[in-house]
Amino acid sequence: GQQLNQSPQSMFIQEGEDVSMNCTSSSIFNTWLWYKQDPGGGPVLLIALYKAGELTSNGRLTAQFGITRKDSFLNISASIPSDVGIYFCAGLYYNNNDMRFGAGTRLTVKP
Amino acid sequence: DGGITQSPKYLFRKEGQNVTLSCEQNLNHDAMYWYRQDPGQGLRLIYYSQIVNDFQKGDIAEGYSVSREKKESFPLTVTSAQKNPTAFYLCASQQGLNNEQFFGPGTRLTVL
Repeated sequence: GQQLNQSPQSMFIQEGEDVSMNCTSSSIFNTWLWYKQDPGGGPVLLIALYKAGELTSNGRLTAQFGITRKDSFLNISASIPSDVGIYFCAGLYYNNNDMRFGAGTRLTVKP
Repeated sequence: DGGITQSPKYLFRKEGQNVTLSCEQNLNHDAMYWYRQDPGQGLRLIYYSQIVNDFQKGDIAEGYSVSREKKESFPLTVTSAQKNPTAFYLCASQQGLNNEQFFGPGTRLTVL
């Protein structure tokens, strides 16, 4: 099955900087999800998006569901050291169990 | 507390041995999933189950087997037929087809 195109693959930033990452697909999804995975652990859901054009915030995190339903971005503002980890996007097709994942963006935050 | 548990966290096996990874959830979710994660790659679906006593192959089911005898449990067996079994294995559950999946903490399997 097709995976999502997630970029960038990795980011090295200074504490306090803003971060932006995105996912694109050639297929339409009905739900976009963003997860964070800490080293050695399972992914934890950060934000879920259910409608095209939807913009949702969760603290310093903001994510948008693209109008074409083929893309989504995640922004993190004023990064802190605990933001370190791997961020995954995931797209869910309507009415089935087919969820596709990006390869992840590895974020490193230097104090 | 409600959640998904996987055990053990780390597992070592000799080549040629079958090994079973445990996944339990008390969220009353109908659907459960097994994924494999390799470095630098996204999650790849091994098997999933939408209801008890039913399961379907995912993208990379060869060399794996599952059972779903209880709603709460979805164990994964990595058989000796799996050519490259060393990986991080993640279990997830989902309530309803349009909802997000929740993940367990993962099991890191190393085959020596």
